Amino acid sequence: SAVISQKPSRDICQRGTSLTIQCQVDSQVTMMFWYRQQPGQSLTLIATANQGSEATYESGFVIDKFPISRPNLTFSTLTVSNMSPEDSSIYLCSVSRLRGGAFFGQGTRLTVV
Amino acid sequence: AQSVTQPDIHITVSEGASLELRCNYSYGATPYLFWYVQSPGQGLQLLLKYFSGDTLVQGIKGFEAEFKRSQSSFNLRKPSVHWSDAAEYFCAVGGTGNQFYFGTGTSLTVIP
Repeated sequence: SAVISQKPSRDICQRGTSLTIQCQVDSQVTMMFWYRQQPGQSLTLIATANQGSEATYESGFVIDKFPISRPNLTFSTLTVSNMSPEDSSIYLCSVSRLRGGAFFGQGTRLTVV
Repeated sequence: AQSVTQPDIHITVSEGASLELRCNYSYGATPYLFWYVQSPGQGLQLLLKYFSGDTLVQGIKGFEAEFKRSQSSFNLRKPSVHWSDAAEYFCAVGGTGNQFYFGTGTSLTVIP
């Protein structure tokens, strides 16, 4: 298993601003994943963050909107840039062991007003 | 490509009744399959997983799931539902690169 600490847990932000979400894992992992869960919907993978290389973004997500940092094997950040109300979602950090499952932080509940 | 389908968006059951949540997957090789539960305002918790061996797997909180390769299904069951089981349930398949693909979820309501 893995213990994942994510912060902030929630925030209310003005449109046009940016928010950086931090994710700390209690063990070294090669890959960290960022998901978005829009209200009443399932999880959508935003990107995969590898230490020492550029993040890999899924279709529909771009680096300019969701820049990701991965400075070491236990930490990552996701920035939601130039926010609009459509960005209101829960953002989840995750690590996974294929046979063990995916483990998630508690999520960041973002409201853009 | 990997995908997961949960055909039931919302299910309502009476407390003490049995429960079955459906999950169908699409995956080229032997899948790694998981069920997660998300209570209101909470993160996702792993209920159970399957990757090989016995096709009936036991999980936490009295849940079990059965892998049926012929039907590409991994349905979640519980013999007697408790009010605290009311939550959102997600089926997921693990793919290459340790990525996970999630179904759209089934919302469970438990009535007294």
